[in-house]
Amino acid sequence: ETGVTQSPTHLIKTRGQQVTLRCSSQSGHNTVSWYQQALGQGPQFIFQYYREEENGRGNFPPRFSGLQFPNYSSELNVNALELDDSALYLCASSLAARTGSGNTIYFGEGSWLTVV
Amino acid sequence: GDSVTQMEGPVTLSEEAFLTINCTYTATGYPSLFWYVQYPGEGLQLLLKATKADDKGSNKGFEATYRKETTSFHLEKGSVQVSDSAVYFCALSDRRTSGTYKYIFGTGTRLKVLA
Repeated sequence: ETGVTQSPTHLIKTRGQQVTLRCSSQSGHNTVSWYQQALGQGPQFIFQYYREEENGRGNFPPRFSGLQFPNYSSELNVNALELDDSALYLCASSLAARTGSGNTIYFGEGSWLTVV
Repeated sequence: GDSVTQMEGPVTLSEEAFLTINCTYTATGYPSLFWYVQYPGEGLQLLLKATKADDKGSNKGFEATYRKETTSFHLEKGSVQVSDSAVYFCALSDRRTSGTYKYIFGTGTRLKVLA
């Protein structure tokens, strides 16, 4: 177990709706990253939060947004859902995004989103 | 830009066979390298890592050596078990200009081990 917990584990939404996914990071970790993993693909980086600020973003449109709270937990929000947003959404936490080499990230079990 | 290339799967082996999953990378900096494993219906688990050239990461009988000259980080195991059946992801961590780290994952290699 990594200590990273995500909710919900599975959900189904209709195209055009909005969704919020939640993540609690491992104790002591101040950095949270979100990834989208489509079926049969590797994780694709969405964005990263460090001490409540976004400090890196992948190639995802603005309708993907996030928050990090003072306790370092995080939310991923997706507006105007599209069918292609169906995927496993993974949260990963790490310590000190700005320092250290070999900075290891630890993943949660993910949230399976199906858009119909 | 940075990238990771893995051999395509699926890889099907008999129990106790030798495993190699190839991984090569391109990076502008000096990355750290990782192997993650994903069992069906689960998230990714760190399997092993290496942070500098010639480092060997090892865990649960799996090994991988950071080869800077060939930009490779091949995963090996001497004797696979049915329980090793999973998808394996090679990944790199490289430093952004902002000072934070980014992670790039390969597309994954599915391993199936038959009893």
